[in-house]
Order: sequence, then structure tokens, then C-alpha cells
Amino acid sequence: AQSVTQLGSHVSVSEGALVLLRCNYSSSVPPYLFWYVQYPNQGLQLLLKYTSAATLVKGINGFEAEFKKSETSFHLTKPSAHMSDAAEYFCAVIRNAGNNRKLIWGLGTSLAVNP
Amino acid sequence: DTEVTQTPKHLVMGMTNKKSLKCEQHMGHRAMYWYKQKAKKPPELMFVYSYEKLSINESVPSRFSPECPNSSLLNLHLHALQPEDSALYLCASEAGGGLAALYNEQFFGPGTRLTVL
Repeated sequence: AQSVTQLGSHVSVSEGALVLLRCNYSSSVPPYLFWYVQYPNQGLQLLLKYTSAATLVKGINGFEAEFKKSETSFHLTKPSAHMSDAAEYFCAVIRNAGNNRKLIWGLGTSLAVNP
Repeated sequence: DTEVTQTPKHLVMGMTNKKSLKCEQHMGHRAMYWYKQKAKKPPELMFVYSYEKLSINESVPSRFSPECPNSSLLNLHLHALQPEDSALYLCASEAGGGLAALYNEQFFGPGTRLTVL
């Protein structure tokens, strides 16, 4: 069954530094992977998704992620962190069960950006 | 309109109260979801409606009762809740249907912050 693991529950970077949030997946079939962001006291917003069309996926707010099958990874990066990037980030994979689809979530990574 | 709206934003209720949470989307999506989320945790799936029929119930206690009156609306009726039910309740919708839908994203509302006293 599909699952994801996020390495590092808390990541802290300086403003302007590289952001790297790690996500590894487990799947016996081609996975459909997502990164969502949740700002304080808000719902979740899609940053980007992997659909097998391209291994390097560009998302909103300058984020991108690269699908690496050999490493079973889908890490999220941003070249230069901004204070407004401070949020909770969730990696997720679709699990199909008959006619139903469910998102299987990682435990999340809390990103802090220091001035 | 790519928005999912939820009302109310905040709700405080006693353990004997009956209340309802509402969710609405006008994107023509045919799948709608209820999630429960505790602080700093991922969302926990509660219910899924597909084409207005309940397709997934994740063994949720009967004090939570979902309803899908039409393709745009989703309700969650609450009765005799416990303090541990205090959480952020999120609604989401997704286009649904067909093989191309395998990687449809879910669109989330802002949530209702529920406190049970």
C-alpha cells in the first residue's frame, strides 16, 4: 500500500537560504504525489503535484520538487526562503481502493524562517 | 470560482448540544470530503461523498453524521460530542470520476475550529 514519510518534523532556515523539505514514498505502482502547505489558522493549499508527466515539478510561490524513482523521493525545494514561507508542509500520496481514492499523508514538517 | 467555503469559522458547543457544519463549492466537483485535524498533525479522513453518495466512512463515531443535500453542499451534523472531538474540521472537494482523475488535487476550505466544552 502507498505511504509517505517526511524526514524532519521541524526545519529552520534563515531568510534567503535554501529550503529543503524531504519526502520519501513507498508504492508498488506509479505514485501520484502532492505537496500541500498550511499557513497558521488556515486550510491546506496545493503547492504542486507529480503526475508522471515530468520529473521536475514547479509549483506556486517559487517551490519545486523533483521525483526520483531510484531514491523513492519527492523532496520540496525553494532557492531562497521568505518569512512568509513559515508554515506546515505536508507530503501526500494517492491510495486507490476500488472506486475510492484517499490521500495518505505524511506527518508534516513545520518550517520556521529566521530573519 | 475555485473556492471551498465553510461556516461557521469557529464553534463552541457543550456536550449536549446539536450543531451543524456547512461546506459549499461551486466548481462542479463531484467528490467531497470531511477531515478532522488536530494541531500540528495531518488531516484525518472522516467521510467521502462521491456523486452525492457516501462512499467512505472511516469508522467515525455516530455522533458525527454527514449529509450531502446536493452536489454543491456538504453538511456535518454534530450531537453529543466529547471534549476530545475539539479540532479543526476541514472540508475538501475534488473533480472526481474517470481514470484521469487519479491525480486530481483536493481543494480545501479554511476549516471550522470546533471547541467542545
